[in-house]
Amino acid sequence: GIQVEQSPPDLILQEGANSTLRCNFSDSVNNLQWFHQNPWGQLINLFYIPSGTKQNGRLSATTVATERYSLLYISSSQTTDSGVYFCAVEPRDSSYKLIFGSGTRLLVRP
Amino acid sequence: DGGITQSPKYLFRKEGQNVTLSCEQNLNHDAMYWYRQDPGQGLRLIYYSQIVNDFQKGDIAEGYSVSREKKESFPLTVTSAQKNPTAFYLCASTEDVSGANVLTFGAGSRLTVL
Repeated sequence: GIQVEQSPPDLILQEGANSTLRCNFSDSVNNLQWFHQNPWGQLINLFYIPSGTKQNGRLSATTVATERYSLLYISSSQTTDSGVYFCAVEPRDSSYKLIFGSGTRLLVRP
Repeated sequence: DGGITQSPKYLFRKEGQNVTLSCEQNLNHDAMYWYRQDPGQGLRLIYYSQIVNDFQKGDIAEGYSVSREKKESFPLTVTSAQKNPTAFYLCASTEDVSGANVLTFGAGSRLTVL
């Protein structure tokens, strides 16, 4: 089945710094989503981005479907950005079934 | 407010007991999912349901069962056959956005087997 790899696995930033998180996937996909899981376990959908670029405040995401990767940019990081960031993909041959990467654990220090 | 409600938030169980985790949504979404998350790990799909009275096994369905008698409800039973049931369980539903399935999650249920 499709493989989803995220890097780096762990990231520590000083408040105000910028960062880039990466998601590589091994096959064509219908759909790619980025999520943030807060320290209490709640998962929030950040972006639905099968291709192209989207921005939402200090966050933006770019997916290059032909090269099978997506990037999540966090600018001017804040302590509330801490948590785990997951990407999830919907394979072309498995509608309704999203496959998650193992996540990037981010800690933003004040 | 529309959303997904999972209960209980925390649950302790003795070995050999079945437990049922509740998931209710008022988003009018057709598809619902159950994921399992172990500490420091990603999410793995247990079961999913695209419509009422129909569901499919995910990647780790052994030791679990589900039902989908109503569109709003998708309960998960963790049976005694599940060898390592201690985990964080997340329910989700999807809306069709331009032909894609955008996931919304509940707050999760944390199960501990004593």
